[in-house]
Amino acid sequence: QKEVEQDPGPLSVPEGAIVSLNCTYSNSAFQYFMWYRQYSRKGPELLMYTYSSGNKEDGRFTAQVDKSSKYISLFIRDSQPSDSATYLCAMSRAGGTSYGKLTFGQGTILTVHP
Amino acid sequence: NAGVTQTPKFRILKIGQSMTLQCTQDMNHNYMYWYRQDPGMGLKLIYYSVGAGITDKGEVPNGYNVSRSTTEDFPLRLELAAPSQTSVYFCASHSQWGEAFFGQGTRLTVV
Repeated sequence: QKEVEQDPGPLSVPEGAIVSLNCTYSNSAFQYFMWYRQYSRKGPELLMYTYSSGNKEDGRFTAQVDKSSKYISLFIRDSQPSDSATYLCAMSRAGGTSYGKLTFGQGTILTVHP
Repeated sequence: NAGVTQTPKFRILKIGQSMTLQCTQDMNHNYMYWYRQDPGMGLKLIYYSVGAGITDKGEVPNGYNVSRSTTEDFPLRLELAAPSQTSVYFCASHSQWGEAFFGQGTRLTVV
């Protein structure tokens, strides 16, 4: 069983739709949770970073973490064609030599069509 | 503001050849990482370093080697290239707050 599971999609939505992207994980040692966006032929860029259960909002993006269920989500409101990309969830353990070592989901390919 | 710079962007290697993928960061980060990304597979950690002179294996280290003689540079060495090493390679460095900055990637094909 993979430590982090993410539905690879692809996901296709109309412009203006609300998008929900999800990951589940099996290791309760994960304490830091991130979402990265990766455009075609580019490196991943950090979208959201959180370390506590609950919601964190940044503009049109909301990251949600439920540690009791080992489940994280990213919501995109009023989706735009420019949001078309691969979205990767990532997580890491706290402290020590594990610091910063990210475990990634497979990535979900999102297309927002006009 | 360069951030993380990787060279080359593209490379074709023949089976058995060797090469070094270069990675440089100008943010004075101690933590640096090498990942490979295969289609539909996310990113897998190859090697990482927590500071100059300190390196350790990640999830998929076989066939690779690294060194970290300075804070800025973290080269990845492929010895005896194999078709299974065809992939996109990303170097990343982390800030003290855990934010990862990625390079633009090196697309490697082994034929």
